[in-house]
Amino acid sequence: GAGVSQSPRYKVAKRGQDVALRCDPISGHVSLFWYQQALGQGPEFLTYFQNEAQLDKSGLPSDRFFAERPEGSVSTLKIQRTQQEDSAVYLCASSRPGLRTEAFFGQGTRLTVV
Amino acid sequence: ELKVEQNPLFLSMQEGKNYTIYCNYSTTSDRLYWYRQDPGKSLESLFVLLSNGAVKQEGRLMASLDTKARLSTLHITAAVHDLSATYFCAVGVDKLIFGTGTRLQVFP
Repeated sequence: GAGVSQSPRYKVAKRGQDVALRCDPISGHVSLFWYQQALGQGPEFLTYFQNEAQLDKSGLPSDRFFAERPEGSVSTLKIQRTQQEDSAVYLCASSRPGLRTEAFFGQGTRLTVV
Repeated sequence: ELKVEQNPLFLSMQEGKNYTIYCNYSTTSDRLYWYRQDPGKSLESLFVLLSNGAVKQEGRLMASLDTKARLSTLHITAAVHDLSATYFCAVGVDKLIFGTGTRLQVFP
């Protein structure tokens, strides 16, 4: 596609509910990143894939957060037993390999836990 | 741990004026990015700075990088209302560490 596509754009979840957020990267981009952006803050790194391999998950805040990219293209970020502090915008970005490439961000999914 | 700080956090400026946003980072990095974010929107890439002394310009915005001082600047020339947004700098190779953001408001 023309850009990074994320769905849903908005998600309201009841506390304790599981959610799954989808990211469709730009075609041909092997690197895929997830970030969490709380209201009024800068994005914070969650996890990073190169193809299907999850190379860094150091930013995942707890074991309730899980990300996968089984075929090296679409990625899903899953949050189990959501809590109010999980409310944020979840941004996905993708990039080509190489030193001079930049990451392109999707529109994000705004998650509100009530 | 890599930390990235921006100042000012908020900037209200009149159209036609010039101003500079500063981005300091705590450890060595050869790459620095500037992004723009409009309310409720995603991040738009403005500049990628890859080496010491790099300077890039696009329209009324000019970015520079001093890796020795661990400092980048985003200079705004003759501001216009359309530049109102939040500006982030970010440092890193794969995993980006973002600054706190500078919310810019340009008024007539």
